[in-house]
Amino acid sequence: DAGVTQSPTHLIKTRGQQVTLRCSPKSGHDTVSWYQQALGQGPQFIFQYYEEEERQRGNFPDRFSGHQFPNYSSELNVNALLLGDSALYLCASSFRRGGSTDTQYFGPGTRLTVL
Amino acid sequence: AQSVTQLGSHVSVSEGALVLLRCNYSSSVPPYLFWYVQYPNQGLQLLLKYTSAATLVKGINGFEAEFKKSETSFHLTKPSAHMRDAAEYFCAVTVTGGGNKLTFGTGTQLKVEL
Repeated sequence: DAGVTQSPTHLIKTRGQQVTLRCSPKSGHDTVSWYQQALGQGPQFIFQYYEEEERQRGNFPDRFSGHQFPNYSSELNVNALLLGDSALYLCASSFRRGGSTDTQYFGPGTRLTVL
Repeated sequence: AQSVTQLGSHVSVSEGALVLLRCNYSSSVPPYLFWYVQYPNQGLQLLLKYTSAATLVKGINGFEAEFKKSETSFHLTKPSAHMRDAAEYFCAVTVTGGGNKLTFGTGTQLKVEL
């Protein structure tokens, strides 16, 4: 049973560029959440997708957008990159009907460096 | 809004000693609490979770945590540390209706010395 997978593993971009990160959820999961983990910090919630719609959003600007596909995989897009966007981006999947107590399974993350 | 505070960004213990990692929460409604572990260059792995059943929760790798409402705490313990326990540990909280959006603490780096 494959867990949560993310691609790419590492990415280097320059300021002003755009980036797309990808996530495939754990088998049987229908909900994908994205988190940003800056160096030395805990993960911060960006947004959550279910049934191809954004259901919840954290305190992130509109430069951060996402998408969920019919197969439940998801993309995170960041436009007009800033140096402060450098972080580990984590994808987590869960089964929505499990509610707030359902375990979220995290992928290994994508390390984004903005120069 | 709910939050968690992890006291001590770095904790160092000797191998075989007790591990105690502290987490205090703030929530206006009953919380659900989680402990995750992160090894270098890896994602997060769930250690244990409190979901309003038993207040003493046992997790993987010999870890356990006790929910104390009066102290708004959910400290993580392990009786005897192993070298392989060296990692970063995160406490997180969510609430009913929160759609399992997790709010994390800033983490505690555990170092285990010989």
